[in-house]
Amino acid sequence: QVQLVQSGAEVKKPGASVKVSCKASGYTFASYNINWVRQATGQGLEWMGWMNPVSGSAGYAQKFEGRVTMTSDTSITSAYMELSGLRSEDTAVYYCAKVLSCSSSSCWYTFDYWGQGTLVTVSS
Amino acid sequence: EIVLTQSPVTLSLSPGERATLSCRASQSVSSYLAWYQQKPGQAPRLLIYDASNRAAGIPARFSGSGSGRDFTLTISSLEPEDFAVYYCQQRDNWPPTFGQGTTVEIK
Repeated sequence: QVQLVQSGAEVKKPGASVKVSCKASGYTFASYNINWVRQATGQGLEWMGWMNPVSGSAGYAQKFEGRVTMTSDTSITSAYMELSGLRSEDTAVYYCAKVLSCSSSSCWYTFDYWGQGTLVTVSS
Repeated sequence: EIVLTQSPVTLSLSPGERATLSCRASQSVSSYLAWYQQKPGQAPRLLIYDASNRAAGIPARFSGSGSGRDFTLTISSLEPEDFAVYYCQQRDNWPPTFGQGTTVEIK
């Protein structure tokens, strides 16, 4: 069965960076983009960006441009999201999510499987 | 970016009742709208994609309708496990965006 298993909770100081991992199994990792979505406590869902596991191509929401990097390691079917310049407003649960469908030219932004979430706390 | 407005913010119903949730887009998203369910401490779960297609394993009591700007998620008869927060999300226009959520609570 499809599983996305994320790394554990992190506590970081303002200005630091955090790197969250997402280990995929149960499907062909190379065939589907991975997206990242975050959720502040008690708040809604915020899309951060996507990445293609094979080409390494990525696209980020304007809000995160310059601060976020999404990468992958196909040899261990894992995706990574690194966020730098952390501030208190970045305190949230970060999710990786697999897209529902991809063609040869593009992937949908509909997410059928999600990781369990990683809590990142930014505090001095 | 497209703004999705969900209504009501909170829906108070009893098990067995019908739930009707709405999502309105700031501009047309064609039929490229999905619905997710989220329970406390859990990741979102895909229920409906492209307005009316149930995702794998989703019970038939969940149905979606609409196109253009106005969409509806209907739960025909609420089960105890359906009390949760529901989000709509569009994929028609980049960036993908989510609504703010509707909480379905037990009355």
